[in-house]
Amino acid sequence: GQQVMQIPQYQHVQEGEDFTTYCNSSTTLSNIQWYKQRPGGHPVFLIQLVKSGEVKKQKRLTFQFGEAKKNSSLHITATQTTDVGTYFCAGPGANNLFFGTGTRLTVIP
Amino acid sequence: DAMVIQNPRYQVTQFGKPVTLSCSQTLNHNVMYWYQQKSSQAPKLLFHYYDKDFNNEADTPDNFQSRRPNTSFCFLDIRSPGLGDAAMYLCATSSRLITEAFFGQGTRLTVV
Repeated sequence: GQQVMQIPQYQHVQEGEDFTTYCNSSTTLSNIQWYKQRPGGHPVFLIQLVKSGEVKKQKRLTFQFGEAKKNSSLHITATQTTDVGTYFCAGPGANNLFFGTGTRLTVIP
Repeated sequence: DAMVIQNPRYQVTQFGKPVTLSCSQTLNHNVMYWYQQKSSQAPKLLFHYYDKDFNNEADTPDNFQSRRPNTSFCFLDIRSPGLGDAAMYLCATSSRLITEAFFGQGTRLTVV
């Protein structure tokens, strides 16, 4: 079955440091989505990437979709305490949405 | 304004006692999903509706059922909750399959 793995599982950074999480799928994806879940909260959609090699930016966040459309990354520049949470990538299956294993980010003030 | 609303936010039920969780949406989306999320894990898809068409994931236990009486509402029924069913249950909607999903705030289920 389809598997979407993320690394690292956990990341602790000092405030101001950069952070990157990587997402790898066992199959080619038609698109990749990224969600953020704050502690105690629910997943919130961040962005969707569709094209091979696509790069999108949202302020300090940079999202990239691999050329083979099997991997993706999220990079946060100069982390802030408001970035704390778990970041999930999500890939579509045949007719549904599978979430990756997630990366939990802790930002130390 | 809340677009996907789940009730209740917290539910405590007794072992083996049927429980129903509800979800409503104001987005008029065709697709409604139910996910189970246990502590420090990713959301796990239980099933989804595309309009009235019900799609069960292969590994979803028979103990879990769902109803969608109309576009706006969807219910998750747990017929005989076990201790292992304690989790956050998340409802989500999307306009089409595999597009952006909007999540409710979730219902945290405790089984005693």
